[in-house]
Amino acid sequence: GQNIDQPTEMTATEGAIVQINCTYQTSGFNGLFWYQQHAGEAPTFLSYNVLDGLEEKGRFSSFLSRSKGYSYLLLKELQMKDSASYLCAAMNTGFQKLVFGTGTRLLVSP
Amino acid sequence: EAQVTQNPRYLITVTGKKLTVTCSQNMNHEYMSWYRQDPGLGLRQIYYSMNVEVTDKGDVPEGYKVSRKEKRNFPLILESPSPNQTSLYFCASSSIAGLSNSPLHFGNGTRLTVT
Repeated sequence: GQNIDQPTEMTATEGAIVQINCTYQTSGFNGLFWYQQHAGEAPTFLSYNVLDGLEEKGRFSSFLSRSKGYSYLLLKELQMKDSASYLCAAMNTGFQKLVFGTGTRLLVSP
Repeated sequence: EAQVTQNPRYLITVTGKKLTVTCSQNMNHEYMSWYRQDPGLGLRQIYYSMNVEVTDKGDVPEGYKVSRKEKRNFPLILESPSPNQTSLYFCASSSIAGLSNSPLHFGNGTRLTVT
């Protein structure tokens, strides 16, 4: 089966660091994506991991452990505009299907 | 500008009245897909297409049809809409060569209400 789990909601303070976790089970695995989605808008790409380890991209970093079926998105120096939903998505073997988690709604407060 | 264009952005209709949501991309992408997004359920794939004249069912295809007669267009057809198809719909595209590590490009969404 295919299953992606991530927390429903998280809160954090402006300037802080937050880690959003994601565990996945898919029929085959060919990479993990993180997307950001503001309310009512289209998802936008943040990061991609296919090998174990940390990928850093400015204030955002993403980590993957294939053996554990686990990923996290790390957001540093939080800003108010980072208040959004963060979607974890795993690509299956054959590159035909991207399975999305239900998303983690992050609320950044002053 | 590279983009995926969906129309309309908002649509209110009645049960049983056929409708089409259009999707067009200008990036020469082979892969296109339709998703619906509902609270607590996340993005679920309806149909996808790997190339012209090649379409396949996603996770929730019931009540929907698609066609891929041209590479750039991938319309979503609801032959007889029902209230449980009230949702936010997204069209997305990607290149096949880059599907493994390139992000999906999403349209701006179509909010459909069926009464």
